[in-house]
Amino acid sequence: KNQVEQSPQSLIILEGKNCTLQCNYTVSPFSNLRWYKQDTGRGPVSLTIMTFSENTKSNGRYTATLDADTKQSSLHITASQLSDSASYICVPFIKAAGNKLTFGGGTRVLVKP
Amino acid sequence: NAGVTQTPKFHILKIGQSMTLQCTQDMNHNYMYWYRQDPGMGLKLIYYSVGAGITDKGEVPNGYNVSRSTTEDFPLRLELAAPSQTSVYFCATAGAMETQYFGPGTRLLVL
Repeated sequence: KNQVEQSPQSLIILEGKNCTLQCNYTVSPFSNLRWYKQDTGRGPVSLTIMTFSENTKSNGRYTATLDADTKQSSLHITASQLSDSASYICVPFIKAAGNKLTFGGGTRVLVKP
Repeated sequence: NAGVTQTPKFHILKIGQSMTLQCTQDMNHNYMYWYRQDPGMGLKLIYYSVGAGITDKGEVPNGYNVSRSTTEDFPLRLELAAPSQTSVYFCATAGAMETQYFGPGTRLLVL
């Protein structure tokens, strides 16, 4: 049973444009929700970490939002750059034995010039 | 600080052979993890460790073994390699409640 659903699966945008990625989750409760960026062939890198009490968190051109009532999160990329081409993965973090994370496939973003 | 290092970067293994993937961290993190990632798929947890001397199975442990004799090192052992173990392997570390930091990965091809 998938606990995290991300949409779209893939996305092509033109350089300079904005885009928003969606994450719906059923995992509850959780300690925080994380967005990771994974470049092709590289390990994931953390973009944002939000707790229940935070509605929005920014990291440069990346802004994440969290709505705990609807169990939805989004990641907004502003003024996209070619280097934003990557997979973006939404990961709810449940503090339990081992602090394990469950990674889904994410949303694959391709930024074209 | 090097962070998380993995060796080798790439390796070709014959079916039935064994090998050890190395992972070393200099961040003094207690938590360490091994993931595998098949093309176009998400990361799957193989094994993890909450501290030296303690290891536990993840989602896909069959065909692998780990040990954690020190805080710094968390080697992953493949016994009797099979083509299904062709994948990219990532090691990660974390402090309590902190984000996970990933190594550069090891690409393994089993032929």
